[in-house]
Amino acid sequence: GEDVEQSLFLSVREGDSSVINCTYTDSSSTYLYWYKQEPGAGLQLLTYIFSNMDMKQDQRLTVLLNKKDKHLSLRIADTQTGDSAIYFCAEVGNTDKLIFGTGTRLQVFP
Amino acid sequence: NAGVTQTPKFRILKIGQSMTLQCTQDMNHNYMYWYRQDPGMGLKLIYYSVGAGITDKGEVPNGYNVSRSTTEDFPLRLELAAPSQTSVYFCASSATGALSYGYTFGSGTRLTVV
Repeated sequence: GEDVEQSLFLSVREGDSSVINCTYTDSSSTYLYWYKQEPGAGLQLLTYIFSNMDMKQDQRLTVLLNKKDKHLSLRIADTQTGDSAIYFCAEVGNTDKLIFGTGTRLQVFP
Repeated sequence: NAGVTQTPKFRILKIGQSMTLQCTQDMNHNYMYWYRQDPGMGLKLIYYSVGAGITDKGEVPNGYNVSRSTTEDFPLRLELAAPSQTSVYFCASSATGALSYGYTFGSGTRLTVV
């Protein structure tokens, strides 16, 4: 079945880069997404990548996609305390609905 | 620009009670979804709807019911609350399904069943 896996926690120092990793199982996924959830709030779309791309950059965010290994990563450059949140990876399943990972809690310390 | 609005934000229920979680969106989106979020488990799809009058089960529908009488509203009903339904519930909508640019989420309803 479809499954999306992420590590649960990541802790980084302010100013460093953060890399959040995700693996997925559905090789037919056409879109892959990163969502951010701040405390007490809903999920906000952060960025997405089409499956025919290897990389997408958007200001401090870089998304890398390795289709062969079904691996997606989100790199946040110059991580700030405001980046502390839970980050969810999601793929479009074969039923045209989003399948979410377990979420990675990013903690940024000074 | 309200987006997706969920009410209430918090609720405590006793075992066996019933309640309706409200969700409304003002973006004229056809697709709407209900997810529950449990710690370390990500989001699990409960029910979804592709348009008014059409609903279908997701991954974890047991203990819940939905209706979609209008494009704007997609309420989630719990008939006999159980402790296993303690969770945070999120409603989401999208214009054309997941292949549009993702979903728009509400801010969630935190439900505790005691």
